[in-house]
Formats: sequence, structure tokens, C-alpha cells
Amino acid sequence: SQKIEQNSEALNIQEGKTATLTCNYTNYSPAYLQWYRQDPGRGPVFLLLIRENEKEKRKERLKVTFDTTLKQSLFHITASQPADSATYLCALDIRGSTLGRLYFGRGTQLTVWP
Amino acid sequence: DAMVIQNPRYQVTQFGKPVTLSCSQTLNHNVMYWYQQKSSQAPKLLFHYYDKDFNNEADTPDNFQSRRPNTSFCFLDIRSPGLGDAAMYLCATSRDRNSGRTLAKNIQYFGAGTRLSVL
Repeated sequence: SQKIEQNSEALNIQEGKTATLTCNYTNYSPAYLQWYRQDPGRGPVFLLLIRENEKEKRKERLKVTFDTTLKQSLFHITASQPADSATYLCALDIRGSTLGRLYFGRGTQLTVWP
Repeated sequence: DAMVIQNPRYQVTQFGKPVTLSCSQTLNHNVMYWYQQKSSQAPKLLFHYYDKDFNNEADTPDNFQSRRPNTSFCFLDIRSPGLGDAAMYLCATSRDRNSGRTLAKNIQYFGAGTRLSVL
């Protein structure tokens, strides 16, 4: 069966450390993988997208890696701040899908404490 | 600013009483989606529109219907809400994947959501 798993429901780290979130998937062939941020009571907001033929993508303090052999993406937030506290969702965009359907994980809730 | 707006933000209804949630967008995107999200769960796609073409997910109950009268607006109708329908309902939009010469990135733009409570 198809699955998207994100590491542990909650991750707590100290301000200034690097947060690393994991997204693993089985029985999918994503052409792209996306990461979204969701604050409580709000809709998800797009952060980063990485293609299947890219190994790494960066944007300011964010870094995403994508390993299609391991079927895994890692999402890093360096120099984390309390304002980074939110739920982070990964989403797969499947190769061959023309209708634009995304498959979401349930997210990892990140808390950064001062 | 171009955006996706959902109304109302909070909706309380009674068991079995029909309810309509609305979504509008100023992004001029062809594709609009409705998701249901329960606490600590992944957003679950209910259906989406590609222009006026309606695409229903196989496991979306008949109790959920949708209308898209024009590009800017989309509605979610829940004909007879049950207690299990209490959730956050998210509307999202994206560009036509086939626009331009290359496959467009399917980045989705979400509204703030409507929190539905069923009493």
C-alpha cells in the first residue's frame, strides 16, 4: 500500500539548533516533493519544492534533500527560532499526474524553545 | 495581494442541517481543491476542479457536493452533516499544470480554512 510517513508527531529543540524533519514514502514515484508550513488553525503555506533529479535545495535557513533511492526527503531548519514553531507537511507530486494532485503526510509538529 | 479567501472562518451547524462553505481566489488559477483535515492528520482531498471539470475522489461521501460557478468562486456543500464531519475544511488553488512549454510546478495556495463544528 502507499504510505507517506513523517518522523514522530512532535519534535522539540532548543533555539539556535538545527531541526531535521524526515519524510519517507513507499509505493509512490514522485516527480517533485514539496514542503509546507502550517500554523494552528491556518492553511498550509508552501515553503520549498525539490525535483526528483535534484539532490538538495536551499532557501535562506531552509534546506531540503531528496533521495529517490532511499525514498526519503530531509527538511532542515538551521539556527532555529521560536517563530519556526509550526507543523511541517511534506507532499508528493506524482510522476504522470497531470491533474496536479498532491499526496500529503500528516506532518511533524516542531516546537523551538528559547 | 492575490489570495485565497475562505468564509466563514468558523461555522457551527446542527446535526443534519445543510451547510455551505465558500472559497474565492484572486490568483486566476484554473484548478481549485477542497480538502478535509482533522486534528493531527494529513489533509484529505475531497474533490477538485480543473476549470469547470469536476473530479471527485473515490472515497468522498455523497454527502459532500461542490459547485464552481466561475473561475473565482468554489463552494462546498455538506448536505446532512454528521458528527464525523467536524473538521477543518481547506480550499486551495494551483496553476494549470500544462500551461507553458514545461509542466508547471504544482504549488498549491491555501486559504485560512473553515473550522466546522457539528452539534
